[in-house]
Amino acid sequence: AQTVTQSQPEMSVQEAETVTLSCTYDTSESNYYLFWYKQPPSRQMILVIRQEAYKQQNATENRFSVNFQKAAKSFSLKISDSQLGDTAMYFCAFLSGNQFYFGTGTSLTVIP
Amino acid sequence: EAGVAQSPRYKIIEKRQSVAFWCNPISGHATLYWYQQILGQGPKLLIQFQNNGVVDDSQLPKDRFSAERLKGVDSTLKIQPAKLEDSAVYLCASTPRGSSYNEQFFGPGTRLTVL
Repeated sequence: AQTVTQSQPEMSVQEAETVTLSCTYDTSESNYYLFWYKQPPSRQMILVIRQEAYKQQNATENRFSVNFQKAAKSFSLKISDSQLGDTAMYFCAFLSGNQFYFGTGTSLTVIP
Repeated sequence: EAGVAQSPRYKIIEKRQSVAFWCNPISGHATLYWYQQILGQGPKLLIQFQNNGVVDDSQLPKDRFSAERLKGVDSTLKIQPAKLEDSAVYLCASTPRGSSYNEQFFGPGTRLTVL
């Protein structure tokens, strides 16, 4: 069975600083996708960044980047120059075939 | 482009009552998902449709939950009868036709409270 683990229920970061959210997963599949989704308070979930497992290069989207360690089954999210609008729940998700699996989320608060 | 629409946004019912949620995906999106998100947890997939056919409903409690997607567009999710543990946010998501990344676009969700 595929599982996604986010071991940090809550985190906080000062505005303009850098923060890293961790995610590990367990799978026997070789072909899959990994995602980070952001869910702001009372707003809908949006995609932050995605990574294909067959790509060794880490994905980057503006201030967001990932550290994908396939052998360790680790997929962390780094947010640089944190902004107040980054305050949200962040979910790590794993896709294999048709199935999506989500972690329990990390609540990130950016402190002014 | 309009996003995924869901209604109602909030619903409060007594246990053993019935409730239905509606989802209208983004136009042209072939795949539609229903998720249950209990407070403090990540979304759990209930059912996945490809056009109007069911791809996966292995985690749908079929004794009380049902879903349909007529004509491969709108979808409804029904709970009958509701239990206290069904209190959650029900999320609908859709995926573009032919998407190689299966990026999901989420609706705002329906928050269900069962008393």
